[in-house]
Amino acid sequence: GAGVSQSPSNKVTEKGKDVELRCDPISGHTALYWYRQSLGQGLEFLIYFQGNSAPDKSGLPSDRFSAERTGGSVSTLTIQRTQQEDSAVYLCASSLMSPQLRTGELFFGEGSRLTVL
Amino acid sequence: AQTVTQSQPEMSVQEAETVTLSCTYDTSENNYYLFWYKQPPSRQMILVIRQEAYKQQNATENRFSVNFQKAAKSFSLKISDSQLGDTAMYFCATYNNNDMRFGAGTRLTVKP
Repeated sequence: GAGVSQSPSNKVTEKGKDVELRCDPISGHTALYWYRQSLGQGLEFLIYFQGNSAPDKSGLPSDRFSAERTGGSVSTLTIQRTQQEDSAVYLCASSLMSPQLRTGELFFGEGSRLTVL
Repeated sequence: AQTVTQSQPEMSVQEAETVTLSCTYDTSENNYYLFWYKQPPSRQMILVIRQEAYKQQNATENRFSVNFQKAAKSFSLKISDSQLGDTAMYFCATYNNNDMRFGAGTRLTVKP
């Protein structure tokens, strides 16, 4: 498809387990964002990738959270030793960044709902 | 850092009527963009409307329009002729230099 794809759509895990969430951005989009949305809450910025630049990790809530982006395309968000407060929807978004198109519009995936028991 | 405040957690409106969602923001930047995104129950975030801060004219997209007050750092969304399909969470956002920040959202319910 032409949109941002995230997997898994839903993930239930036990406290203390590690989880990996995957994001396939729109082809050609150089910018990629991860956000967390807790129940009924707004979007909390986690991390941002832009091309080959060092990612902006300023939003990661703890060192249990990490993310990587391989080959400037697919990104994986990893949460180690999950806690119940990590339960949320994790949204990925991508954007085409260029000198001609600095509009900032983000294209979102449908998110991965994580439930930590 | 940019911050966005949406002071209305929930709102409702009768079908065909008009509703205004509030948003204020804080930024030290002079050039930035403002957005309203819609998130229906499907979780898919959809861009509703965009405003460039350097433009004084308020953006309009069909039934959706904004009231952009730059000096007051206010960016409200007006939905005219509300439809049942407008029921969703609405997020206000600011963007500058690759930094996109969202408000807490307003849950809008359109009643038949």
